[in-house]
Amino acid sequence: KNEVEQSPQNLTAQEGEFITINCSYSVGISALHWLQQHPGGGIVSLFMLSSGKKKHGRLIATINIQEKHSSLHITASHPRDSAVYICAVRSGETSGSRLTFGEGTQLTVNP
Amino acid sequence: DTEVTQTPKHLVMGMTNKKSLKCEQHMGHRAMYWYKQKAKKPPELMFVYSYEKLSINESVPSRFSPECPNSSLLNLHLHALQPEDSALYLCASSQDWGLLGQFFGPGTRLTVL
Repeated sequence: KNEVEQSPQNLTAQEGEFITINCSYSVGISALHWLQQHPGGGIVSLFMLSSGKKKHGRLIATINIQEKHSSLHITASHPRDSAVYICAVRSGETSGSRLTFGEGTQLTVNP
Repeated sequence: DTEVTQTPKHLVMGMTNKKSLKCEQHMGHRAMYWYKQKAKKPPELMFVYSYEKLSINESVPSRFSPECPNSSLLNLHLHALQPEDSALYLCASSQDWGLLGQFFGPGTRLTVL
């Protein structure tokens, strides 16, 4: 069992739909990242969370530390949101902590 | 300037070639990272430099040789690679190792023939 699990692996939506991607982890963490990777490779850091909820434009990220679970929501989805969304957790505060990545969720938003 | 740049974007090399990948950031970050990413897989950490010193080598074969000439630059020297080394190589940086979020570069897509 991976330390970081995402669901679903693949998600197809129609433009305008509300989208949720889930991330569960099994280790103690100091922070959780949501990353976006477009075809061609570049990774963009969307959010870094250690508690609660963050919002940026149409994106919302939440985390429940007790349940070891985070969700990424996209409201009013658009074809340009099509990308791989990756959850990554940081397991320590001190020097030496590393990111452990989930397998990613491939999102396709059709017009 | 809040970006990490990588050159080249694409590289095709033979198994006997020697080439280098370059990464640069001007955010004053003191930690820099090399990741390898195969298709449809998450990135795998290869090396971490902290304050220009190699801090982590994740048992990477010696045909990959990292170098950090100064706090803004990170190189990855390649020699005698194998076709299975073909992948996307991502560079990232952060203010300090483990404390803040990592900024990723666009990657170099490497093909080894």
